[in-house]
Amino acid sequence: DVVMTQSPLSLPVTLGQPASISCRSSHSLIYSDGDSYLNWFQQRPGQSPRRLIYKVSNRDSGVPDRFSGSGSGTNFTLKISRVEAEDVGVYYCMQVTHWPLYTFGQGTKLEIK
Amino acid sequence: EVHLVESGGGLVQPGGSLTLSCEASGFTFSDYWMSWVRQAPGKGLEWVANINVDGSEKYYVDSVKGRFTISRDNAKNSLYLQMNSLRADDTAVYYCTRDQWLVPFDYWGQGSLVTVSS
Repeated sequence: DVVMTQSPLSLPVTLGQPASISCRSSHSLIYSDGDSYLNWFQQRPGQSPRRLIYKVSNRDSGVPDRFSGSGSGTNFTLKISRVEAEDVGVYYCMQVTHWPLYTFGQGTKLEIK
Repeated sequence: EVHLVESGGGLVQPGGSLTLSCEASGFTFSDYWMSWVRQAPGKGLEWVANINVDGSEKYYVDSVKGRFTISRDNAKNSLYLQMNSLRADDTAVYYCTRDQWLVPFDYWGQGSLVTVSS
C-alpha cells in the first residue's frame, strides 16, 4: 500500500507570510509516462474539499497564483507565497499514480497566528 | 455547471445497512468514473470506492471490501453506495466525487452524514 506522509500537521502562519507543506510518498509516484501524479486539496472549515493542484503543479481554474506545487518521485511540496485569511483550513495531498486506488495524506491544518 | 448531490445518510445501528445516492448534473455522467470518499468526524479524507464508466470495474479500500458495494445507473445520472454490516468506525461524511484517469476529484458533492450507533 502507498502511504502518504504530510508535514507539518499544524501550520500557524502570519498573514502575508509564506507557507510550505511537505508530502512524501512511500512509493515512487512516477508513472509509466515519466511524470508524477499527485493532487492537492483544500478543505475550508465546514466545506467540502476543493482540488487546488493536479499532476503536481497544475492549478485548477480559479485557484490564486499564490498557490504552487512542485516535486517528483516521492517528495512533493505545496507553497503559498503570501497567506491570506481565506487560506485557513486543512490541506491534503493525494497520490494518483497508483490509480484506481487512491491514498490521501493525513492533512495539514493551516491557521493564522 | 457540474453538481453532485448526495442523499440517503442517517442514523443506523451497528450491523445495519444503508444506501447512499449521488445525483449528478452538468456533465455527461456516463463518460466518467466516479468515487466515494469519506471523512470521519474530526479526521482526514479516505477514499472508499470507485467505479468505471459502465459499472464493469469496481475497486474498494480494504476496510470496506465485502461490506460495501458501489454501483451506478447512467440512465438516471446516479451513483450509489450500498453499505452493509455497518460498524461504528464507518461513521463519517460520505462525499461523491468525479473521478478521471490521472486527474481525479475535480468536483465534489456537499456530503451525506452516516452515523452508526446504538
